[in-house]
Amino acid sequence: NAGVTQTPKFQVLKTGQSMTLQCAQDMNHEYMSWYRQDPGMGLRLIHYSVGAGITDQGEVPNGYNVSRSTTEDFPLRLLSAAPSQTSVYFCASAETRVFNEKLFFGSGTQLSVL
Amino acid sequence: DAKTTQPPSMDCAEGRAANLPCNHSTISGNEYVYWYRQIHSQGPQYIIHGLKNNETNEMASLIITEDRKSSTLILPHATLRDTAVYYCIVRAYMYSGGGADGLTFGKGTHLIIQP
Repeated sequence: NAGVTQTPKFQVLKTGQSMTLQCAQDMNHEYMSWYRQDPGMGLRLIHYSVGAGITDQGEVPNGYNVSRSTTEDFPLRLLSAAPSQTSVYFCASAETRVFNEKLFFGSGTQLSVL
Repeated sequence: DAKTTQPPSMDCAEGRAANLPCNHSTISGNEYVYWYRQIHSQGPQYIIHGLKNNETNEMASLIITEDRKSSTLILPHATLRDTAVYYCIVRAYMYSGGGADGLTFGKGTHLIIQP
């Protein structure tokens, strides 16, 4: 099992560019989520999904889109990147929503928007 | 979710037990205490969780006071690889959903294991 895999590990964008952060898990987990972590702060939830075809907003969803067409994949899209989106992004999954407190995290994507 | 209070940083000598405190005086009866840690540049890692009783697994022990207003995470024989930020999180096990369905990670305790 690879667990939760995130790509790319590093990305630099210019303001206004778009990109997709990839997240895949091979544990057949129902629940997947995206967090961002800014320097000196805790993690904040962006979006989450409790199963294929179902997504919902977290604490800081503005500027981000998600979709969940398969159980394995949960990509995060930045449609028009802004410097405020410079952050480290973590994808996490859990077996089901009920047990979502035991989260398995990916290794993160460090994003810089110039 | 109840708020938690943790010291910003702690030191511990390698080989000794590391005891990390967490205050959660407003915890509700259905809320569990969870601990995660984040080693530099990595994603957070689940450690342990509990409701009332003390819990132990291969990584750590969790001691929850009888009134449940505070808890202590114990790493019995700390190693240099245990240097990390440790997060104490309080959360109801059955979440009703709606807009903020995730864990609230505060700033945690930066534990530094000294050689």
